[in-house]
Amino acid sequence: EDQVTQSPEALRLQEGESSSLNCSYTVSGLRGLFWYRQDPGKGPEFLFTLYSAGEEKEKERLKATLTKKESFLHITAPKPEDSATYLCAVGGGADGLTFGKGTHLIIQP
Amino acid sequence: ETGVTQSPTHLIKTRGQQVTLRCSSQSGHNTVSWYQQALGQGPQFIFQYYREEENGRGNFPPRFSGLQFPNYSSELNVNALELDDSALYLCASSSTGPAYEQYFGPGTRLTVT
Repeated sequence: EDQVTQSPEALRLQEGESSSLNCSYTVSGLRGLFWYRQDPGKGPEFLFTLYSAGEEKEKERLKATLTKKESFLHITAPKPEDSATYLCAVGGGADGLTFGKGTHLIIQP
Repeated sequence: ETGVTQSPTHLIKTRGQQVTLRCSSQSGHNTVSWYQQALGQGPQFIFQYYREEENGRGNFPPRFSGLQFPNYSSELNVNALELDDSALYLCASSSTGPAYEQYFGPGTRLTVT
């Protein structure tokens, strides 16, 4: 059974203060690792897919990296509009996605 | 390109009743998955439909059932509603192939009283 653990549960940063969110996973075979952003009361918004250890992807102030046991979402010089819950998931195909509980990120001006 | 849409936005039902939620998939996508998200939790996989058949299911009882139509839209039906069924129900669409990326709709907020 796939398992995903995200840390920290919540993170408060000052605007411009870079940091990283962690996603540890246990799978029998990695089909994909996914990062989503979710705003309150809305559906998750797709950010990145990573398929193999060593892979990295970037989008604006976000960069996702992957090792054999964990993934990191690095946030560089964040702005208040980056405040959201960031969800990590593994899986894909007919078995669906297994999500972590998310990291609630607050960026203060 | 049209994204995933869901209806209704909000719904209030009484314990024991039945409910139907609807989802239209993103243009070009032929697979639909449904998820349940309780407050403060990540989404949990309910089931997936491909070519109008259920081809994968999570740990949910049979009173959760679904349909997929020829235009790839989908329904989620829940019978004998329980208080714990109160949650945000999310629909996600994807296309077949090596990229398993799923794109989510805005969700339906179900409250069971």
